Amino acid sequence: RKEVEQDPGPFNVPEGATVAFNCTYSNSASQSFFWYRQDCRKEPKLLMSVYSSGNEDGRFTAQLNRASQYISLLIRDSKLSDSATYLCVVNTYNTDKLIFGTGTRLQVFP
Amino acid sequence: NAGVTQTPKFRILKIGQSMTLQCTQDMNHNYMYWYRQDPGMGLKLIYYSVGAGITDKGEVPNGYNVSRSTTEDFPLRLELAAPSQTSVYFCASSYYPPTDNQPQHFGDGTRLSIL
Repeated sequence: RKEVEQDPGPFNVPEGATVAFNCTYSNSASQSFFWYRQDCRKEPKLLMSVYSSGNEDGRFTAQLNRASQYISLLIRDSKLSDSATYLCVVNTYNTDKLIFGTGTRLQVFP
Repeated sequence: NAGVTQTPKFRILKIGQSMTLQCTQDMNHNYMYWYRQDPGMGLKLIYYSVGAGITDKGEVPNGYNVSRSTTEDFPLRLELAAPSQTSVYFCASSYYPPTDNQPQHFGDGTRLSIL
């Protein structure tokens, strides 16, 4: 089983739609969670950290469910500029390394 | 604001050649990382360093070597290039271990083809 698993998509949604991605992780000792965004042929960039109580940043909401070992990303009012690959990233307690999922591709169309 | 700088951006190598991918950061970050990303795949950690003089293997270190003689620089060396090493290579850095509010900053990547 992969340490971090994501549905690769693509998710094709119209502008203005709400879309949600899930990600599961296998190591229950995982402590830190992130969503990174990666545009085509570009480097990954941090979108948001994911906190236990859930957190929101504008149109983006991240949730963590430790019992079920999954995190989610909700994007409201999708924009064309949201088209990208969203990487689920996990850090296990007491390590210096991040584990990256393979990413979920989002395509927003007019 | 330079951040993390990788050179070269593109390179084509012949099988068996060697080369060094350069990575430098000007943020005084202690932690530096090398990843490779194959098409349609996630990032796989090759090597990382938690400070000058300290390096550790990641998930896929075979065929690569690194050194960390200064805080700023973390070069990645391919000694005998093989077609399986065709990939996009990303260097990243962070001040502390990657926990909340301590994101990794990535370079633009080096696209390497081995023919």
